[in-house]
Amino acid sequence: GENVEQHPSTLSVQEGDSAVIKCTYSDSASNYFPWYKQELGKGPQLIIDIRSNVGEKKDQRIAVTLNKTAKHFSLHITETQPEDSAVYFCAASTDSWGKLQFGAGTQVVVTP
Amino acid sequence: SAVISQKPSRDICQRGTSLTIQCQVDSQVTMMFWYRQQPGQSLTLIATANQGSEATYESGFVIDKFPISRPNLTFSTLTVSNMSPEDSSIYLCSVSPTSGGQETQYFGPGTRLLVL
Repeated sequence: GENVEQHPSTLSVQEGDSAVIKCTYSDSASNYFPWYKQELGKGPQLIIDIRSNVGEKKDQRIAVTLNKTAKHFSLHITETQPEDSAVYFCAASTDSWGKLQFGAGTQVVVTP
Repeated sequence: SAVISQKPSRDICQRGTSLTIQCQVDSQVTMMFWYRQQPGQSLTLIATANQGSEATYESGFVIDKFPISRPNLTFSTLTVSNMSPEDSSIYLCSVSPTSGGQETQYFGPGTRLLVL
């Protein structure tokens, strides 16, 4: 089955700097890659996603890039703010029913 | 996106008892899923809740331990049976608005369970 690895496990950045989280996947048939943000005490919130026919997608300060050949995708957060502090999860899906395989998560801490 | 609610939001239970968690969506959805998130860990899919048929369980999860109901297109329940401290986790439901293809999943707020 699909295996998703996520790095780093923790990331500390100064407010205003950029943060990058990387994920690799094992199944070349994976075709959908969402990113979730989970704040303490809350459920995961979808923040951006990308499909295999697209190499990059942006939404304001957030961007995701996908390299199908290397089987990895990354989340980029620019101009980080304290409210960006949370755990971020990447995921991959090969299943037509949308079953997601999640990475281990990255704890992002933005310090003022 | 769909608005998803879960009840209870948290509970403390004694070992050997069972707890039923409810998931309600504000619109009809085809796919509903149940996940477990152990403390400090990632999300693991327990099962897919199918409307009108039995749930589809992932490896390591069985119906006797985690019975699931899906009576209609907006509601599902997950029961954690004969609980032990190892069942202490966050239980999350998620939904996909449409069936087939590459689907977006939206998560509920979760149910935080502590088993003593």
